[in-house]
Amino acid sequence: AQSVTQLGSHVSVSEGALVLLRCNYSSSVPPYLFWYVQYPNQGLQLLLKYTSAATLVKGINGFEAEFKKSETSFHLTKPSAHMSDAAEYFCAVRSYSGGGADGLTFGKGTHLIIQP
Amino acid sequence: EAGVAQSPRYKIIEKRQSVAFWCNPISGHATLYWYQQILGQGPKLLIQFQNNGVVDDSQLPKDRFSAERLKGVDSTLKIQPAKLEDSAVYLCASSLVQGSKDTQYFGPGTRLTVL
Repeated sequence: AQSVTQLGSHVSVSEGALVLLRCNYSSSVPPYLFWYVQYPNQGLQLLLKYTSAATLVKGINGFEAEFKKSETSFHLTKPSAHMSDAAEYFCAVRSYSGGGADGLTFGKGTHLIIQP
Repeated sequence: EAGVAQSPRYKIIEKRQSVAFWCNPISGHATLYWYQQILGQGPKLLIQFQNNGVVDDSQLPKDRFSAERLKGVDSTLKIQPAKLEDSAVYLCASSLVQGSKDTQYFGPGTRLTVL
């Protein structure tokens, strides 16, 4: 079984400040981890993914995340927030254990608010 | 490259009615997924297809939900009869191949309201 916990349903930062969105996972096999962003009335867009290569992963729009196995974490960061970053962010885990089933398990999401 | 297409974008029905959603994946993508996203929650996988075969439908409420992908391309998801708790956004996603490293690309979703 696998699960994802996103700490903080809402995070508010000032424009230009550091963005930190937290994600912890649980998986019985080595996981692959993903961050998606969702803008209002749109589908999910992939920001970045960890697939067992480098533990520090860089994504689009200046975001990056670091996989820490000892902490079972995959937190998302951005050095300087822009107003356009305001959206819902989802962390997801996929553990492929054979049989072909590889759907994503998502966290509940974190709503990022950018204060001017 | 065209993305994942879904229709309709919005649907309002009364409880006990039937409804169907359509998804056209990215051209050449063999794997197709349907997710349900209830307001305030993350998406939950309902069913996964590999070509026209079902790989995983363990979380699909089979007493009222059904899905098919007859020719291995387009897919339809049906709810019959609908309940109030089925109000959600239904997301379709596709990926080129099966496997954990591959990216799933999502469509814009169909927002269902059951009154």
